[in-house]
Amino acid sequence: GAVVSQHPSRVICKSGTSVKIECRSLDFQATTMFWYRQFPKQSLMLMATSNEGSKATYEQGVEKDKFLINHASLTLSTLTVTSAHPEDSSFYICSASQGARAQPQHFGDGTRLSIL
Amino acid sequence: DAKTTQPNSMESNEEEPVHLPCNHSTISGTDYIHWYRQLPSQGPEYVIHGLTSNVNNRMASLAIAEDRKSSTLILHRATLRDAAVYYCILSGGTSYGKLTFGQGTILTVHP
Repeated sequence: GAVVSQHPSRVICKSGTSVKIECRSLDFQATTMFWYRQFPKQSLMLMATSNEGSKATYEQGVEKDKFLINHASLTLSTLTVTSAHPEDSSFYICSASQGARAQPQHFGDGTRLSIL
Repeated sequence: DAKTTQPNSMESNEEEPVHLPCNHSTISGTDYIHWYRQLPSQGPEYVIHGLTSNVNNRMASLAIAEDRKSSTLILHRATLRDAAVYYCILSGGTSYGKLTFGQGTILTVHP
């Protein structure tokens, strides 16, 4: 159980393009979803926390107008990287939680974004 | 957030037990101890978590020191598929569900 599906797994696109990444919890309702970014040979860095039906909370230094997060239902959250540039190239990973305190997070397989 | 300290890397032989240590001397009374692991080019995978008592599941065991300032993840019989980066993370206190990933321990398993 507790499967999180992330799509697409890989994106290659030109600079200036906007890219949307979907994160779905397949067999449970995710009241909270998290978005992370991971650069090569580094650890995961939390970008934002989103709760269903409310605005996302962004970590310090993450531009909310650059990384648009929507969590419209209990099973779907999307991250849109607007006007992507080469420095946005990274491994983006989502996770979902049932929201109760100390509940484990279940992660997607990540999206490798390459901006040319 | 309370921080954790883990060795950068560890090595093991296949089918032998592995004990991965984690120090968290500033842990608060409401912090849970979580372990996740990440294989190359994949998202992290939940392994186990606990608060005060030792915990067992199908993947691993978690031994928590009596003063809660350290813990050990135990893989009873390492396999090649257990080679990964293992992260020890405190969560559930003031962070309420947020996970702050450190550098973790790179576990190498030799055949």
